[in-house]
Amino acid sequence: DAMVIQNPRYQVTQFGKPVTLSCSQTLNHNVMYWYQQKSSQAPKLLFHYYDKDFNNEADTPDNFQSRRPNTSFCFLDIRSPGLGDAAMYLCATSSLTSGGGETQYFGPGTRLLVL
Amino acid sequence: QQQVKQSPQSLIVQKGGISIINCAYENTAFDYFPWYQQFPGKGPALLIAIRPDVSEKKEGRFTISFNKSAKQFSLHIMDSQPGDSATYFCAAEGPHTDKLIFGTGTRLQVFP
Repeated sequence: DAMVIQNPRYQVTQFGKPVTLSCSQTLNHNVMYWYQQKSSQAPKLLFHYYDKDFNNEADTPDNFQSRRPNTSFCFLDIRSPGLGDAAMYLCATSSLTSGGGETQYFGPGTRLLVL
Repeated sequence: QQQVKQSPQSLIVQKGGISIINCAYENTAFDYFPWYQQFPGKGPALLIAIRPDVSEKKEGRFTISFNKSAKQFSLHIMDSQPGDSATYFCAAEGPHTDKLIFGTGTRLQVFP
């Protein structure tokens, strides 16, 4: 089945120790998104790639970086995790056309714990 | 103008009852309105979506009602089941954009 895969599902890191979360998709979608979701809140968009074009949200801290080496894979790098970065990180994809809004398909998420 | 307001924040319904969640938006350029269902520890999953050219869309027990003039849309869950207990997010997206604007979410609990 075509899907969005996130690894690992759970990640424990130490305060200040860099961590990388990964996302892959078999949907061949041209847009990939990274969201941060904290308890009882809506997902918050960090950034997204439209093909190879990177689009950062204005309020995303510099501590968060992303890479998209090819259509299928996207990575979220947290350079120096703080306690406030503990959250669920969600990857999503969509097949955006010029016609407007399209469905975003979410992965299962990676739960990040910062000690 | 980019906000989507969602209510109620939480909802408790008895099994077999109707669950109703409401959302309102301001940006008339929005042209796609999905509802996502999220279980604890899981990613959001698309439940049902509507575009403003229709006033209602039904899929099984789930119905979206859309009122373009009032800039409101709602999710109705008929014959609510304990398995429907989850958090529901409405969202909106416009043309020439690739970002969803999420509502704040509604935690639904269905008791047997």
